[in-house]
Amino acid sequence: DVKVTQSSRYLVKRTGEKVFLECVQDMDHENMFWYRQDPGLGLRLIYFSYDVKMKEKGDIPEGYSVSREKKERFSLILESASTNQTSMYLCASSFRTGNYYGYTFGSGTRLTVV
Amino acid sequence: DQQVKQNSPSLSVQEGRISILNCDYTNSMFDYFLWYKKYPAEGPTFLISISSIKDKNEDGRFTVFLNKSAKHLSLHIVPSQPGDSAVYFCAASLNTGNQFYFGTGTSLTVIP
Repeated sequence: DVKVTQSSRYLVKRTGEKVFLECVQDMDHENMFWYRQDPGLGLRLIYFSYDVKMKEKGDIPEGYSVSREKKERFSLILESASTNQTSMYLCASSFRTGNYYGYTFGSGTRLTVV
Repeated sequence: DQQVKQNSPSLSVQEGRISILNCDYTNSMFDYFLWYKKYPAEGPTFLISISSIKDKNEDGRFTVFLNKSAKHLSLHIVPSQPGDSAVYFCAASLNTGNQFYFGTGTSLTVIP
């Protein structure tokens, strides 16, 4: 089974701090994604990457950046954390097996910015 | 603009009865659909999928129905169990399968 590992389950950071959220997948998948989940808003795509050093903006990239230096690792960076970035952050890796495809998600990081 | 919509934020069902979760989409080019289940403080887990060449896919207690003309899909859970209580997300993709568009989720509560 593909494993997507997010380094922290819970984080509390102060306003203005630089925050790094790490995600690692172990199946050599090319495509990786960062979403945030908020009540009533569902899963919103922040950034995604199709390959090493490649990145694409999703629907809500403002206030975020990403880094993909190695294929297995996709990092989300909050340059200067703000309280409206308090959320559940979900990393995903996409798989394709024959005619079946989808995402495998990590366990999520609950970030609170105070 | 939300391309995948789940208009019911919540649903309560008695244990043993059928749960029906609905999902609508606007892009007629979507050709592959997924349902995910999410418990609090955990990542979503894959539940069931359906390709646009089918109108039904079944896996145990879970069945997904696709009505392409209405741009509507639904997830049926029969019989519902308390452990099914979770948030359910539907998702859709174009033929590349590289990116999925998610609905806002429906919180299902199965009452014992």
